Amino acid sequence: AQSVTQLGSHVSVSEGALVLLRCNYSSSVPPYLFWYVQYPNQGLQLLLKYTSAATLVKGINGFEAEFKKSETSFHLTKPSAHMSDAAEYFCAVSSGSARQLTFGSGTQLTVLP
Amino acid sequence: EAGVVQSPRYKIIEKKQPVAFWCNPISGHNTLYWYLQNLGQGPELLIRYENEEAVDDSQLPKDRFSAERLKGVDSTLKIQPAELGDSAVYLCASSLSGPDTGELFFGEGSRLTVL
Repeated sequence: AQSVTQLGSHVSVSEGALVLLRCNYSSSVPPYLFWYVQYPNQGLQLLLKYTSAATLVKGINGFEAEFKKSETSFHLTKPSAHMSDAAEYFCAVSSGSARQLTFGSGTQLTVLP
Repeated sequence: EAGVVQSPRYKIIEKKQPVAFWCNPISGHNTLYWYLQNLGQGPELLIRYENEEAVDDSQLPKDRFSAERLKGVDSTLKIQPAELGDSAVYLCASSLSGPDTGELFFGEGSRLTVL
């Protein structure tokens, strides 16, 4: 079985501040991990993915995430928040023979001026 | 290149009425998914197709939900009869192959309100 836990359903940061969105996963086999972003009234868009290559993954819009096996974490970061980053962010895991994609419950990011 | 197209974007119906959602995936994408997204939650898989075949429909409530993907391209998701608890966003996604790479491309969703 696999699962994803996103700590903090709402995160607020000031424009220019560090963004840190937390994700912990549970998987019995080496996982693939993903971050998706969803803007209001839109579908989900892939930000970045980890598929057992480099543990530090760089994505679009200046986001990056680090896979830490010992901590079963895949936290998403961005050095400097921009107003356009305000959206909902979903962490997801894919593992096992069926490779089903399981999403976390999401974190709503608010960027304050 | 056109993305995943869904219709209708919004639908309001009374309980016990039927409703259908349509999805046109990205051209050439063999795998098609229907997800359910409740307010404040992440998407949950309802059904996954590989071409015309439904390879994972374990989470589809088959007493009232049905889906089809004729000719391995467009897909339709139907609910009959709808219940109040079905109010949610229904997302369609497609990918080139299975979910291994995780690169799913999502449509904008169909928001259903059941009164």
